[in-house]
Amino acid sequence: QKEVEQDPGPLSVPEGAIVSLNCTYSNSAFQYFMWYRQYSRKGPELLMYTYSSGNKEDGRFTAQVDKSSKYISLFIRDSQPSDSATYLCAMDPTGANNLFFGTGTRLTVIP
Amino acid sequence: DAGITQSPRHKVTETGTPVTLRCHQTENHRYMYWYRQDPGHGLRLIHYSYGVKDTDKGEVSDGYSVSRSKTEDFLLTLESATSSQTSVYFCAISEPPERAFFGQGTRLTVV
Repeated sequence: QKEVEQDPGPLSVPEGAIVSLNCTYSNSAFQYFMWYRQYSRKGPELLMYTYSSGNKEDGRFTAQVDKSSKYISLFIRDSQPSDSATYLCAMDPTGANNLFFGTGTRLTVIP
Repeated sequence: DAGITQSPRHKVTETGTPVTLRCHQTENHRYMYWYRQDPGHGLRLIHYSYGVKDTDKGEVSDGYSVSRSKTEDFLLTLESATSSQTSVYFCAISEPPERAFFGQGTRLTVV
C-alpha cells in the first residue's frame, strides 16, 4: 500500500466549475501537507501549504486537512483554462521537505 | 524557478554507462534534494543533502550516489545506468521551515 493515494483522473470540467481534488494517506506521522501544480514538461510549483489540520484559503484555492480521517482536499473555485495541469499532493513528516507525493491528478478546464 | 538550474535538460545514454546530473542553485539554501518522477509512482525522493558533504538516502536510493562539495551544487550519479532508471529527475531546494522549490527537470533515457 502506498503511503499517499491520489486518484489520477483525468478530470475534465467546464470553465467556472468548482473542482475538488483529494488525497488519502496512511502515515499518521505526516504533519505538513502541500499541493503542487505541474504543467506539462515543467517542474512542480508550490500552490498551497498547510501545517497540521485545518483550512487555508488563497484566492480561488482552498486547502483542507482532516488528520483524523487522513484525508486532504484542494478546492478550486471559478476554474479557469489556465488551471489545466496536474495537481500533486505531498506530505512531510518532519518539516525537512523529505516529501511523499501522490501520483497526481490531471485536470483539464474546458473553455 | 527560485534560482535552480538543472543540467543537462535531456540526455540519452546507454545501459552500463555512468551518468552525472547537476543541480545548481543561487539561493544559498542548505537543503537540496533529488527526486525522480515516473508514471504511476509520482515523485520519489532519491537522496538529499542538508549541508556541504552532508547527505542521506531517500526512498529509492539504490543505484544512485550523490555529492555536495559546494553549497550551490548537488550532483546525482548513476554509476552504471539501467533501463529502470529512465525517468524525469527533479532537483529541489529548501531552507526549512520554508517549503521546497523544484527545478525544471532532466529527462533521462537509458537505452
